[in-house]
Amino acid sequence: EDQVTQSPEALRLQEGESSSLNCSYTVSGLRGLFWYRQDPGKGPEFLFTLYSAGEEKEKERLKATLTKKESFLHITAPKPEDSATYLCAVFTGTASKLTFGTGTRLQVTL
Amino acid sequence: DTGVSQDPRHKITKRGQNVTFRCDPISEHNRLYWYRQTLGQGPEFLTYFQNEAQLEKSRLLSDRFSAERPKGSFSTLEIQRTEQGDSAMYLCASRSREGNSPLHFGNGTRLTVT
Repeated sequence: EDQVTQSPEALRLQEGESSSLNCSYTVSGLRGLFWYRQDPGKGPEFLFTLYSAGEEKEKERLKATLTKKESFLHITAPKPEDSATYLCAVFTGTASKLTFGTGTRLQVTL
Repeated sequence: DTGVSQDPRHKITKRGQNVTFRCDPISEHNRLYWYRQTLGQGPEFLTYFQNEAQLEKSRLLSDRFSAERPKGSFSTLEIQRTEQGDSAMYLCASRSREGNSPLHFGNGTRLTVT
């Protein structure tokens, strides 16, 4: 069965303090790894899709990378508005659904 | 693109009552998903439609849960004889027919069973 594990569960950063969130996966036939941002009381908002090892995607202060076993979401010089839960999900060849991790709750303070 | 719309946003019901939620996907998307999310957890897959056909159901989906997507447009999720354990956020998502396109989520229906 496909498994997705995210770490840390929670992360508190000061504004401008860069860090990385980890998503490790055990799947058969990865067809895509997805990163989402979720604000309290709202649905997940799509950020990135990564398809193969070595691929990188960037958007503002966020950069996502992918290896054969894990993905990282790097946050450079975060701002308080980056505070949210970041979810990782995988789409595999054996299923037609996304399987999610439990997320990392990020809090960025002034 | 008006996004995925869900109704109602919040529902409070007493144990044993039936509830129904509605999801309107992005208009050109032929695939529709229902997920459930509890506090501190990631979304858990419930069921998936391609057009009007329900192609996959999770083992989480007990006999009290039923989903429909008549005419391949909007979808409804009904929970019969609700239990306190059904309290959760119910999320709907849609995606296009293009390859490994991402799921686009609505803002969910928060169900509280008292």
